[in-house]
Amino acid sequence: DTEVTQTPKHLVMGMTNKKSLKCEQHMGHRAMYWYKQKAKKPPELMFVYSYEKLSINESVPSRFSPECPNSSLLNLHLHALQPEDSALYLCASSQGRDGETQYFGPGTRLLVL
Amino acid sequence: QKEVEQDPGPLSVPEGAIVSLNCTYSNSAFQYFMWYRQYSRKGPELLMYTYSSGNKEDGRFTAQVDKSSKYISLFIRDSQPSDSATYLCAMSALDSGGYQKVTFGIGTKLQVIP
Repeated sequence: DTEVTQTPKHLVMGMTNKKSLKCEQHMGHRAMYWYKQKAKKPPELMFVYSYEKLSINESVPSRFSPECPNSSLLNLHLHALQPEDSALYLCASSQGRDGETQYFGPGTRLLVL
Repeated sequence: QKEVEQDPGPLSVPEGAIVSLNCTYSNSAFQYFMWYRQYSRKGPELLMYTYSSGNKEDGRFTAQVDKSSKYISLFIRDSQPSDSATYLCAMSALDSGGYQKVTFGIGTKLQVIP
């Protein structure tokens, strides 16, 4: 089973809202990722948790906050977003250091009004 | 120069044609090479991956890597309308943070016409 699940599938939020995106995998992978993808662009890496250690992309605004409750779950907390943050948010997982491939979830399509 | 170069297309072919998709790269540290298929408004789906030069075949798909030329290809035989999607090449190298950092091409949009 190479499935990564994400909820919700769609999300509409105002700029003052707080919401969370959720991701889950049961492949025993030790690395999980958040990507942002705008239309007609490739995915851009936002955050990585590898062996419970967070790697931060320093260009990501603080209004995005990741959380990894355990090795199977990954959350992305959203607060005070801007309309330009509207995008497809993708979660992925891989085995870890030697995990050569990343498996993606279906994504959450976010619209910020 | 971008680390990974990929022609965005669009590429239109008739049903049954052989499709050739290509990427070039500049980073010699890349260890793994992948092709993802992405349908509109969906997440990328892993099609094939390899880590060595040469060919790897899976059904109608063949992935080819030439490390000496820093060039990878994906061939699709007997293309079907259901193959219409954006194809992303991707390459990864071990990051100092202890994970495989993936660099994507911009993606080639393919349309297979019935």
